[in-house]
Amino acid sequence: DTGVSQDPRHKITKRGQNVTFRCDPISEHNRLYWYRQTLGQGPEFLTYFQNEAQLEKSRLLSDRFSAERPKGSFSTLEIQRTEQGDSAMYLCASVPTQMDTEAFFGQGTRLTVV
Amino acid sequence: AQSVTQLGSHVSVSEGALVLLRCNYSSSVPPYLFWYVQYPNQGLQLLLKYTSAATLVKGINGFEAEFKKSETSFHLTKPSAHMSDAAEYFCAVKRPGGYNKLIFGAGTRLAVHP
Repeated sequence: DTGVSQDPRHKITKRGQNVTFRCDPISEHNRLYWYRQTLGQGPEFLTYFQNEAQLEKSRLLSDRFSAERPKGSFSTLEIQRTEQGDSAMYLCASVPTQMDTEAFFGQGTRLTVV
Repeated sequence: AQSVTQLGSHVSVSEGALVLLRCNYSSSVPPYLFWYVQYPNQGLQLLLKYTSAATLVKGINGFEAEFKKSETSFHLTKPSAHMSDAAEYFCAVKRPGGYNKLIFGAGTRLAVHP
């Protein structure tokens, strides 16, 4: 499969625990995005990487959230001290070098904080 | 600033009937516009996109959309609904020429009944 891959697909965690999600983009895509989608809403932008550089972070990304893309390939999104409000679908998308092509989305990681 | 409004959070049609999902956008610059479809617990799949070429855009699965600048609209249509079209549909806008951050609407859930 040459699409965007996210792991895990589902995560249930207790409030206060830390969680980490992984995204493997399409191999030749240098741009990577994280979005968060809560129930009944459209995805909201969280952060953007071009290669290994994190170029933009949304105000939605509190200091409990951190994202990395250490070698410009896969990316991780970590949430520390999870809260019930963090329950959502976390979507990763990758885009090739050309600026005006569409984003290719992974299947997402659904986080449930209990 | 850019934004998207999808009129109607739920639309129900009979199999074989016309599908019309409404999207209005706000943008300070000529936008690029997208429709994505999402099946339960899945990521987003691109249906079609408008990138300032032809105003009538044809996409996958028989869907099409027309960009109307005077009405700031980008409504999605399909002449004849199929049961497999039941899903959530998201309209999205982005600023051309910059990096590819998508701004999504809240989505419209399409139900198709026999």
